[in-house]
Amino acid sequence: DGGITQSPKYLFRKEGQNVTLSCEQNLNHDAMYWYRQDPGQGLRLIYYSQIVNDFQKGDIAEGYSVSREKKESFPLTVTSAQKNPTAFYLCASIPRDRGRVNYGYTFGSGTRLTVV
Amino acid sequence: DAKTTQPNSMESNEEEPVHLPCNHSTISGTDYIHWYRQLPSQGPEYVIHGLTSNVNNRMASLAIAEDRKSSTLILHRATLRDAAVYYCILRDVGGGADGLTFGKGTHLIIQP
Repeated sequence: DGGITQSPKYLFRKEGQNVTLSCEQNLNHDAMYWYRQDPGQGLRLIYYSQIVNDFQKGDIAEGYSVSREKKESFPLTVTSAQKNPTAFYLCASIPRDRGRVNYGYTFGSGTRLTVV
Repeated sequence: DAKTTQPNSMESNEEEPVHLPCNHSTISGTDYIHWYRQLPSQGPEYVIHGLTSNVNNRMASLAIAEDRKSSTLILHRATLRDAAVYYCILRDVGGGADGLTFGKGTHLIIQP
């Protein structure tokens, strides 16, 4: 079945370390997204990419970096510059041509990152 | 995207209908109304969307007020698996693929 795979499910990071979260989709979707969710809060957009080799900052991009070398992959790196990285991270995708006709977004199951 | 207002939480009994309200008084004529839900420790999943007319699918129904300033997501017979946070989101028809804007949603509690 097609879907989005996020790995790992749980991740622990020491302060000052960079860490990369994986997001892979086999839906042939063009656009991919990274969101951050803090306890009791809604999702906030970190970065998004509408096409390979191109991406845009979302509302809270500081301290994060992304790459989009392949259509199916959109990894997120949480750098040491992110002062409060402990959160639940969610990846999503949508077919780009359907982004304008309000087709539903597909989300992964998330990665819970904890700084120790 | 225009703003939506939802109650923080609602409680219902299993096997009873649930009506989840959403106010969007500043909605524009080209905004679609979307609903997503998020089960505990999961990513959100698409539930339903509509523009003007009421909509039904296998998961739920969406009732849209005539003036479009409010809408109601209806779960016809709630089960324990419907316990989740429900988000009401407006998306402009020409909004492109630049992501969704999530509020805090409504935390739906189902009592057995």
